[in-house]
Amino acid sequence: EMVMTQSPATLSVSPGERATLSCRASQSVSSNLAWYQQKPGQAPRLLIYGASTRATGIPARFSGSGSGTEFTLTISSLQSEDFALYYCQQYSNWPRTFGQGTKVEIK
Amino acid sequence: EVQLVESGGGLVQPGGSLRLSCSASGFAFSSYFIHWVRQAPGKGLEYVSAISSDGGSTYHADSVKGRFTISRDNSKNTLYLQMTSLRAEDTAIYYCVKMGNGWYEYWGQGTLVTVSS
Repeated sequence: EMVMTQSPATLSVSPGERATLSCRASQSVSSNLAWYQQKPGQAPRLLIYGASTRATGIPARFSGSGSGTEFTLTISSLQSEDFALYYCQQYSNWPRTFGQGTKVEIK
Repeated sequence: EVQLVESGGGLVQPGGSLRLSCSASGFAFSSYFIHWVRQAPGKGLEYVSAISSDGGSTYHADSVKGRFTISRDNSKNTLYLQMTSLRAEDTAIYYCVKMGNGWYEYWGQGTLVTVSS
């Protein structure tokens, strides 16, 4: 099973600042990588697929990059609604696996 | 608008059974793979089961293989998850998810399953 490792576990950022989240795969997943946002009491929401393509309705301040085993989600200027949990997920291999999540909190 | 509405969750004793349903609307249900993904309280996301668009192929995580069965009725736009031999570690919110080309495109609101005596 492919292991996805996210870092850091918690990221403290001030509103308006940039946030950079990392995701590492235990083996290459090419660009078969997605990012999700989850707020308390809500279902996850798709942000990015194909490592760098924003999903419908996702603001341009969210961007994804990387390929192979190293990936990054960048939020260019954090808004109040962006403080949440973020997960990466690979869809290169079965079973589909998720990272353990990065919590973005207000500094 | 894509909508996925799960139902059937609740409290069940260890060793018991439960059947979850997911009613879909707003898209061509019979054209898409659908997955179940679960989230234990305070924990991360875990793939559970998947089914092809025509129901002919099914997949299950090792943690539920032999105990859970995924199925669908395309005439009713409904997905099911039959869960048997339930364990405490199956306690979680179960999400029904419409797939993109490998990614989890649209999520239902989830239904809570609690396995406890």
